[in-house]
Amino acid sequence: KAGVTQTPRYLIKTRGQQVTLSCSPISGHRSVSWYQQTPGQGLQFLFEYFSETQRNKGNFPGRFSGRQFSNSRSEMNVSTLELGDSALYLCASSSRGGGTNTGELFFGEGSRLTVL
Amino acid sequence: TQLLEQSPQFLSIQEGENLTVYCNSSSVFSSLQWYRQEPGEGPVLLVTVVTGGEVKKLKRLTFQFGDARKDSSLHITAAQPGDTGLYLCAVPGSGNTGKLIFGQGTTLQVKP
Repeated sequence: KAGVTQTPRYLIKTRGQQVTLSCSPISGHRSVSWYQQTPGQGLQFLFEYFSETQRNKGNFPGRFSGRQFSNSRSEMNVSTLELGDSALYLCASSSRGGGTNTGELFFGEGSRLTVL
Repeated sequence: TQLLEQSPQFLSIQEGENLTVYCNSSSVFSSLQWYRQEPGEGPVLLVTVVTGGEVKKLKRLTFQFGDARKDSSLHITAAQPGDTGLYLCAVPGSGNTGKLIFGQGTTLQVKP
């Protein structure tokens, strides 16, 4: 079973630009969530999508957005990039739909964004 | 302030030593997970604990959930270089969604 695939793995942008990151979940997983990882703040929740609907959103500005397609693949977009957006962006998928929220998250290897 | 406080933040030990990593909070949780993240990779789930006082073992790793479900510990016996990585504890966020709240992590380096 293929794991979670994120593209691109590395990218460099300049301030003011925008970026789109892609995530393909494990086949059959309908929940996709995104996290930002930085040395200072650690892993922080961005948002979660389930069946093309945003189900939860973290405390990030509106410059951060996402969407999920009918095949469960997801994209996140960051507009008007700032230096502080430099981070590892991790996507995770889960087979858990409803009920208890103790399911396992399967993470991709991440997309490392550097903003100059 | 962080919901989950992990200690120590950094740990460098020699192969064969034992160590314990802690994850503490003042809040009560329905469950708690431990993940390990190796350089260049995403976190991988090690264990989920759900019952107060629960102890789970994974080879040389022993996980314990506090009786009051507010804290947890991870003990590694006879650490090996392959145990090197970032150890993260995580708890469910509010609502019935896939949101997890992570601790800041403990970076472990095991030298041969």
